[in-house]
Amino acid sequence: AQSVTQLGSHVSVSEGALVLLRCNYSSSVPPYLFWYVQYPNQGLQLLLKYTSAATLVKGINGFEAEFKKSETSFHLTKPSAHMSDAAEYFCAVTLSGGYQKVTFGTGTKLQVIP
Amino acid sequence: EAGVTQFPSHSVIEKGQTVTLRCDPISGHDNLYWYRRVMGKEIKFLLHFVKESKQDESGMPNNRFLAERTGGTYSTLKVQPAELEDSGVYFCASSQAAGATGELFFGEGSRLTVL
Repeated sequence: AQSVTQLGSHVSVSEGALVLLRCNYSSSVPPYLFWYVQYPNQGLQLLLKYTSAATLVKGINGFEAEFKKSETSFHLTKPSAHMSDAAEYFCAVTLSGGYQKVTFGTGTKLQVIP
Repeated sequence: EAGVTQFPSHSVIEKGQTVTLRCDPISGHDNLYWYRRVMGKEIKFLLHFVKESKQDESGMPNNRFLAERTGGTYSTLKVQPAELEDSGVYFCASSQAAGATGELFFGEGSRLTVL
C-alpha cells in the first residue's frame, strides 16, 4: 500500500519569497510521485511528476521537486512566489509498474501575501 | 480539444433523495476514474473504468453508489439514497495511457451537498 503525508494544511509566504511545500511518502515498491494544483473553481492540474528518471523534476510555472529516497520525501519548491501561485497543492503517489490508482495527500493551501 | 467535463457543477439534495453525476472524459481516453473529496480530507479513489469495464471499484463506499460507463464513453455515478456523509466534491479524471506514467486529466468536480 502507498500513502503520502503533507505537512501543513495552510502555508503563507510573502510575494517573492521561497515556496516550500512538504510531502513524505510511504510505498512498498518504487513509487511514482506527483504534485497537482487546484486553482479556485478549477479542476486539478498536473504540476510535475517523478517516474524514476532524474531525481530533480521541473514542472510548470517555475515549480520543481526533488525525490529523496533516503528521506522518503518529494518536497515542492519555487524560488520566488507570485500572487498567481495562490492555490491548493496536492502531493500524490502511485505504484510503479501498476495501473494508475493514485493516492492523494490532504492538500496544502498556499496563500501569497503581497 | 475539450477537457474532462462534469455535470452538474453543484447539486443540493435532501437526505434520501437520488443524485446522478455525469462525467465526459477526453475523447479517446480509455481510462476513467472517479475520486471524492470530503471537506478538508484527502482526495479518495472510488473506482476505475477501462473502457466500459470496471477495473477496480475497491474505493466505492457502499452499495448506495452505482457507477456505469455506457459504451466506454461517458460515465455516471448515482447515489441512491443519499446520506449526509456523502457530501463532498466528486472528481472525474481520464487518461489515455495505461500505467503510472500517464497523466490524469481532471474535471472541475461536482460538488454534492446533502441536507
